[in-house]
Amino acid sequence: EAGVTQSPTHLIKTRGQQATLRCSPISGHTSVYWYQQALGLGLQFLLWYDEGEERNRGNFPPRFSGRQFPNYSSELNVNALELEDSALYLCASIVYRGMNTEAFFGQGTRLTVV
Amino acid sequence: ELKVEQNPLFLSMQEGKNYTIYCNYSTTSDRLYWYRQDPGKSLESLFVLLSNGAVKQEGRLMASLDTKARLSTLHITAAVHDLSATYFCAVNAGGTSYGKLTFGQGTILTVHP
Repeated sequence: EAGVTQSPTHLIKTRGQQATLRCSPISGHTSVYWYQQALGLGLQFLLWYDEGEERNRGNFPPRFSGRQFPNYSSELNVNALELEDSALYLCASIVYRGMNTEAFFGQGTRLTVV
Repeated sequence: ELKVEQNPLFLSMQEGKNYTIYCNYSTTSDRLYWYRQDPGKSLESLFVLLSNGAVKQEGRLMASLDTKARLSTLHITAAVHDLSATYFCAVNAGGTSYGKLTFGQGTILTVHP
């Protein structure tokens, strides 16, 4: 089965602009999780979408938002970009295997804000 | 608030040697994960540990879980250069949010000839 796919792979934006990142979960899976991996800050949970709704969000300002489409793909939008938003953004999909349910990650989008 | 701490954060090993990475977490969790990340790449799932006393092995890596001590270990046996990477443990806080994980800081492993 196809894994989690993200686009674009790299994105360069100017401070103050908006960035849109995309994620397609594993086929048929309804949940999408977004993470930010910024230098020095580690991996931090950003947002969780399931069945088209935002279920939970991490400790990030409102300019980080997103949505999930009927086909369960998702967009992460970052408005009013700041230099510290430069990071690797990872999207995860859940593979349900009973007790061995686990999260699988896409290859990520490297966002650089200049 | 769930906190996850790894140590050491940096590990320089010689090929052929053994070593252990430790992962402590602060609150009860129903599953613990180990991931590997190569520079500039995404996270590769290594192990899922579910119950107290769980032990899983894959090649030169073995992971264990002690839920009473809230401690997991990743043991490296006879290290080889290909194991050089950053290793993360991550904990799921429970419930149905399987993908909402709290990660440790990561351990950067470098294996030297």
